[in-house]
Amino acid sequence: DIQMTQSPSYVSASVGDRVTITCRASESLSSWLAWYQQKPGRAPKLLIHSASRLQSGVPSRFSGSESGTDFSLTISNLQPEDIATYYCQQSNSFPWTFGQGTQVDIK
Amino acid sequence: EVQLVQSGAEVKKPGESLRISCKGSGYVFTKYWIGWVRQMPGKGLEWMGAIYPGDSDTRYRPSFQGQVSISVDKSTDTAHLQWSSLKASDTAMYYCARPGSGEAFDVWGQGTMVIVSP
Repeated sequence: DIQMTQSPSYVSASVGDRVTITCRASESLSSWLAWYQQKPGRAPKLLIHSASRLQSGVPSRFSGSESGTDFSLTISNLQPEDIATYYCQQSNSFPWTFGQGTQVDIK
Repeated sequence: EVQLVQSGAEVKKPGESLRISCKGSGYVFTKYWIGWVRQMPGKGLEWMGAIYPGDSDTRYRPSFQGQVSISVDKSTDTAHLQWSSLKASDTAMYYCARPGSGEAFDVWGQGTMVIVSP
Protein backbone atom coordinates (compact mmCIF):
# COMPACT_ATOMS: atom_id res chain seq x y z
CA ASP A 1 0.00 0.00 0.00
CA ILE A 2 1.11 3.58 -0.62
CA GLN A 3 1.63 5.44 2.65
CA MET A 4 0.81 9.14 2.87
CA THR A 5 2.62 11.10 5.59
CA GLN A 6 0.96 14.45 6.18
CA SER A 7 2.38 17.31 8.26
CA PRO A 8 1.91 19.23 10.40
CA SER A 9 -1.03 17.74 12.29
CA TYR A 10 -2.02 21.18 13.58
CA VAL A 11 -1.29 24.72 12.46
CA SER A 12 -2.45 28.02 13.91
CA ALA A 13 -2.02 31.19 11.86
CA SER A 14 -3.35 34.71 11.62
CA VAL A 15 -5.87 36.00 9.10
CA GLY A 16 -3.97 36.96 5.97
CA ASP A 17 -1.10 34.56 6.61
CA ARG A 18 0.19 31.96 4.19
CA VAL A 19 -0.21 28.37 5.36
CA THR A 20 1.46 25.34 3.78
CA ILE A 21 0.57 21.70 4.43
CA THR A 22 2.65 18.87 3.02
CA CYS A 23 2.14 15.22 2.16
CA ARG A 24 4.90 12.79 1.36
CA ALA A 25 4.04 9.62 -0.56
CA SER A 26 5.95 6.37 -0.08
CA GLU A 27 6.20 5.97 -3.85
CA SER A 28 5.50 7.84 -7.07
CA LEU A 29 1.90 9.01 -7.56
CA SER A 30 2.15 10.30 -11.13
CA SER A 31 0.23 13.39 -9.94
CA TRP A 32 -2.77 11.35 -8.72
CA LEU A 33 -3.05 13.42 -5.57
CA ALA A 34 -6.03 15.35 -4.24
CA TRP A 35 -6.60 17.75 -1.34
CA TYR A 36 -9.85 18.03 0.63
CA GLN A 37 -11.24 20.42 3.21
CA GLN A 38 -13.54 19.12 5.93
CA LYS A 39 -15.46 21.33 8.32
CA PRO A 40 -17.02 19.86 11.50
CA GLY A 41 -20.18 17.89 10.83
CA ARG A 42 -19.78 18.16 7.08
CA ALA A 43 -18.67 15.86 4.28
CA PRO A 44 -15.22 16.58 2.82
CA LYS A 45 -14.97 19.00 -0.09
CA LEU A 46 -12.56 18.61 -2.98
CA LEU A 47 -10.15 21.53 -3.34
CA ILE A 48 -7.36 20.32 -5.63
CA HIS A 49 -7.08 17.32 -7.95
CA SER A 50 -4.20 16.02 -10.06
CA ALA A 51 -1.78 17.58 -7.54
CA SER A 52 -2.23 21.17 -8.73
CA ARG A 53 -5.58 21.62 -10.51
CA LEU A 54 -8.06 23.81 -8.69
CA GLN A 55 -11.53 22.31 -8.49
CA SER A 56 -14.24 24.48 -10.02
CA GLY A 57 -15.65 27.02 -7.55
CA VAL A 58 -12.73 26.82 -5.10
CA PRO A 59 -11.15 30.19 -4.23
CA SER A 60 -7.85 30.90 -5.95
CA ARG A 61 -6.07 31.39 -2.60
CA PHE A 62 -5.84 27.60 -2.52
CA SER A 63 -3.07 26.06 -4.61
CA GLY A 64 -1.28 22.74 -4.91
CA SER A 65 2.19 21.74 -6.02
CA GLU A 66 4.35 18.66 -6.30
CA SER A 67 8.01 17.82 -6.28
CA GLY A 68 8.71 14.15 -6.78
CA THR A 69 6.85 12.35 -4.00
CA ASP A 70 6.31 15.53 -1.97
CA PHE A 71 3.05 17.44 -2.34
CA SER A 72 1.96 20.74 -0.86
CA LEU A 73 -1.29 22.59 -0.31
CA THR A 74 -0.90 26.32 0.21
CA ILE A 75 -3.54 28.68 1.51
CA SER A 76 -2.43 32.21 0.77
CA ASN A 77 -4.22 35.00 2.61
CA LEU A 78 -5.84 32.75 5.25
CA GLN A 79 -9.50 33.60 5.90
CA PRO A 80 -11.70 32.79 8.92
CA GLU A 81 -13.82 30.48 6.78
CA ASP A 82 -10.72 28.36 6.09
CA ILE A 83 -10.84 26.92 9.61
CA ALA A 84 -11.12 23.20 8.90
CA THR A 85 -9.20 19.95 8.67
CA TYR A 86 -7.36 19.28 5.44
CA TYR A 87 -6.53 15.88 3.97
CA CYS A 88 -4.45 14.66 1.09
CA GLN A 89 -5.41 11.47 -0.77
CA GLN A 90 -3.65 9.39 -3.39
CA SER A 91 -5.51 7.61 -6.19
CA ASN A 92 -2.50 6.28 -8.09
CA SER A 93 -3.14 2.71 -7.03
CA PHE A 94 -5.56 0.70 -4.91
CA PRO A 95 -6.01 0.83 -2.00
CA TRP A 96 -6.42 4.58 -2.23
CA THR A 97 -5.16 6.23 0.96
CA PHE A 98 -5.62 9.47 2.88
CA GLY A 99 -3.12 11.42 4.89
CA GLN A 100 -3.69 11.76 8.62
CA GLY A 101 -5.14 15.27 8.34
CA THR A 102 -4.07 18.78 9.31
CA GLN A 103 -6.24 20.96 11.52
CA VAL A 104 -6.00 24.64 10.60
CA ASP A 105 -6.98 27.21 13.19
CA ILE A 106 -6.93 31.00 13.44
CA LYS A 107 -4.75 32.68 16.08
CA GLU B 1 -27.49 17.98 -10.45
CA VAL B 2 -25.04 15.19 -9.70
CA GLN B 3 -25.62 13.88 -6.20
CA LEU B 4 -25.25 10.92 -3.89
CA VAL B 5 -27.93 10.43 -1.25
CA GLN B 6 -27.24 8.05 1.61
CA SER B 7 -29.61 6.17 3.87
CA GLY B 8 -30.34 7.40 7.36
CA ALA B 9 -28.57 6.93 10.68
CA GLU B 10 -28.60 3.49 12.29
CA VAL B 11 -28.37 2.29 15.88
CA LYS B 12 -27.60 -1.41 16.16
CA LYS B 13 -26.39 -3.95 18.70
CA PRO B 14 -23.13 -5.91 18.44
CA GLY B 15 -23.55 -9.02 16.33
CA GLU B 16 -26.39 -7.58 14.25
CA SER B 17 -26.22 -7.22 10.50
CA LEU B 18 -26.60 -3.97 8.60
CA ARG B 19 -26.71 -2.66 5.05
CA ILE B 20 -26.47 1.05 4.27
CA SER B 21 -27.06 2.57 0.87
CA CYS B 22 -25.89 5.32 -1.46
CA LYS B 23 -28.09 6.33 -4.40
CA GLY B 24 -26.61 8.20 -7.32
CA SER B 25 -28.46 10.57 -9.60
CA GLY B 26 -27.73 13.15 -12.29
CA TYR B 27 -25.06 11.10 -14.03
CA VAL B 28 -24.48 7.72 -15.69
CA PHE B 29 -24.13 5.58 -12.58
CA THR B 30 -22.38 2.68 -14.28
CA LYS B 31 -19.47 4.79 -15.57
CA TYR B 32 -17.94 5.98 -12.29
CA TRP B 33 -16.45 4.19 -9.31
CA ILE B 34 -18.21 4.59 -5.97
CA GLY B 35 -15.97 4.61 -2.92
CA TRP B 36 -16.73 4.20 0.78
CA VAL B 37 -14.90 6.21 3.44
CA ARG B 38 -15.02 5.67 7.20
CA GLN B 39 -14.57 8.39 9.78
CA MET B 40 -14.51 7.21 13.37
CA PRO B 41 -15.49 9.78 16.03
CA GLY B 42 -12.86 12.52 16.20
CA LYS B 43 -10.60 10.75 13.72
CA GLY B 44 -9.46 11.07 10.12
CA LEU B 45 -10.71 9.69 6.83
CA GLU B 46 -10.10 6.05 5.89
CA TRP B 47 -10.68 4.71 2.39
CA MET B 48 -12.48 1.38 2.85
CA GLY B 49 -13.05 0.20 -0.69
CA ALA B 50 -14.74 0.93 -3.98
CA ILE B 51 -16.89 -0.65 -6.65
CA TYR B 52 -17.23 0.01 -10.37
CA PRO B 53 -20.95 -0.41 -11.10
CA GLY B 54 -20.36 -1.14 -14.78
CA ASP B 55 -18.83 -4.55 -14.09
CA SER B 56 -18.99 -4.80 -10.26
CA ASP B 57 -15.18 -4.79 -10.00
CA THR B 58 -14.63 -4.32 -6.25
CA ARG B 59 -11.48 -3.33 -4.36
CA TYR B 60 -10.94 -3.27 -0.59
CA ARG B 61 -8.37 -1.84 1.75
CA PRO B 62 -6.78 -4.97 3.24
CA SER B 63 -7.89 -4.11 6.79
CA PHE B 64 -11.53 -4.06 5.65
CA GLN B 65 -11.40 -7.16 3.44
CA GLY B 66 -13.70 -9.79 4.96
CA GLN B 67 -15.10 -7.28 7.46
CA VAL B 68 -17.50 -5.52 5.09
CA SER B 69 -19.04 -6.20 1.72
CA ILE B 70 -19.56 -3.62 -1.04
CA SER B 71 -22.18 -4.24 -3.70
CA VAL B 72 -24.23 -2.40 -6.27
CA ASP B 73 -27.75 -2.59 -7.69
CA LYS B 74 -27.62 -1.18 -11.21
CA SER B 75 -31.41 -1.29 -11.52
CA THR B 76 -31.72 1.40 -8.85
CA ASP B 77 -28.33 3.17 -9.24
CA THR B 78 -27.54 2.31 -5.64
CA ALA B 79 -24.37 1.13 -3.94
CA HIS B 80 -24.42 -0.71 -0.63
CA LEU B 81 -22.05 -1.27 2.27
CA GLN B 82 -22.88 -4.30 4.38
CA TRP B 83 -21.81 -5.90 7.65
CA SER B 84 -22.81 -9.42 8.70
CA SER B 85 -21.86 -9.00 12.35
CA LEU B 86 -21.32 -5.51 13.71
CA LYS B 87 -18.82 -4.64 16.42
CA ALA B 88 -18.73 -1.62 18.71
CA SER B 89 -15.62 -0.51 16.81
CA ASP B 90 -17.76 -0.11 13.66
CA THR B 91 -19.29 2.99 15.24
CA ALA B 92 -18.47 5.74 12.76
CA MET B 93 -19.71 8.05 10.05
CA TYR B 94 -19.64 6.39 6.65
CA TYR B 95 -19.46 8.39 3.44
CA CYS B 96 -19.89 7.29 -0.13
CA ALA B 97 -18.15 9.36 -2.79
CA ARG B 98 -17.70 9.43 -6.54
CA PRO B 99 -14.35 10.15 -8.17
CA GLY B 100 -14.34 12.50 -11.14
CA SER B 101 -11.44 14.49 -12.60
CA GLY B 102 -8.07 13.16 -11.56
CA GLU B 103 -9.80 10.24 -9.83
CA ALA B 104 -10.51 12.58 -6.92
CA PHE B 105 -13.78 12.40 -4.99
CA ASP B 106 -15.69 15.39 -6.33
CA VAL B 107 -19.16 14.25 -5.22
CA TRP B 108 -19.88 13.07 -1.66
CA GLY B 109 -22.92 11.69 0.05
CA GLN B 110 -24.13 13.39 3.21
CA GLY B 111 -22.86 10.53 5.36
CA THR B 112 -24.55 7.76 7.36
CA MET B 113 -23.89 7.59 11.08
CA VAL B 114 -23.72 4.05 12.42
CA ILE B 115 -23.78 3.52 16.17
CA VAL B 116 -23.16 0.04 17.54
CA SER B 117 -23.93 -0.23 21.25
CA PRO B 118 -25.18 -3.02 23.57
